[in-house]
Amino acid sequence: EDQVTQSPEALRLQEGESSSLNCSYTVSGLRGLFWYRQDPGKGPEFLFTLYSAGEEKEKERLKATLTKKESFLHITAPKPEDSATYLCAVQARSSGNTGKLIFGQGTTLQVKP
Amino acid sequence: DSGVTQTPKHLITATGQRVTLRCSPRSGDLSVYWYQQSLDQGLQFLIHYYNGEERAKGNILERFSAQQFPDLHSELNLSSLELGDSALYFCASSGMKAVGAGELFFGEGSRLTVL
Repeated sequence: EDQVTQSPEALRLQEGESSSLNCSYTVSGLRGLFWYRQDPGKGPEFLFTLYSAGEEKEKERLKATLTKKESFLHITAPKPEDSATYLCAVQARSSGNTGKLIFGQGTTLQVKP
Repeated sequence: DSGVTQTPKHLITATGQRVTLRCSPRSGDLSVYWYQQSLDQGLQFLIHYYNGEERAKGNILERFSAQQFPDLHSELNLSSLELGDSALYFCASSGMKAVGAGELFFGEGSRLTVL
């Protein structure tokens, strides 16, 4: 069964304290891995797509990496505005040309000033 | 603002009732997706429509149905509501080039409370 597990569930950082969020996945043929950010009371906001092991994507203080079994979201020198829930999702090749994503439970990040 | 509009934002109803959630996708997007988010299950894929046709179904209950109209807006109908149906229901859309690509634009959701 296709599955996504994120850790930790919650993470508290001081402003400027870098860290990483983990996304472990099991999927029968990976079509893509996606990172989303969700603020309280809002819908998820797309951040990155990764397609193959070794691929990396960067956006401001965020960097996403991918291996054959997991993905990491590295947050460098975070600021309070980075506080949010970060969701990881996978799309299996068996999903074909559909928007069926399998989401993890998310990591809730709090960055204190 | 993602450009995806969902109504109503909040809805409180009783068990056994029926509700309709509405979604307007981003201008020009042909694909509409419905997801359910609950505290214990996380975000769960319900259904995907592309240009009026059903493209894929997830673990959507038989009491739930959806459709996409010629103007591309979509409705999710939930009937015989149970307490466990209380959740956030998100609609998302994507463009023709991104259909099925996983880069989805989500609305702000409709929060359903069943009492």
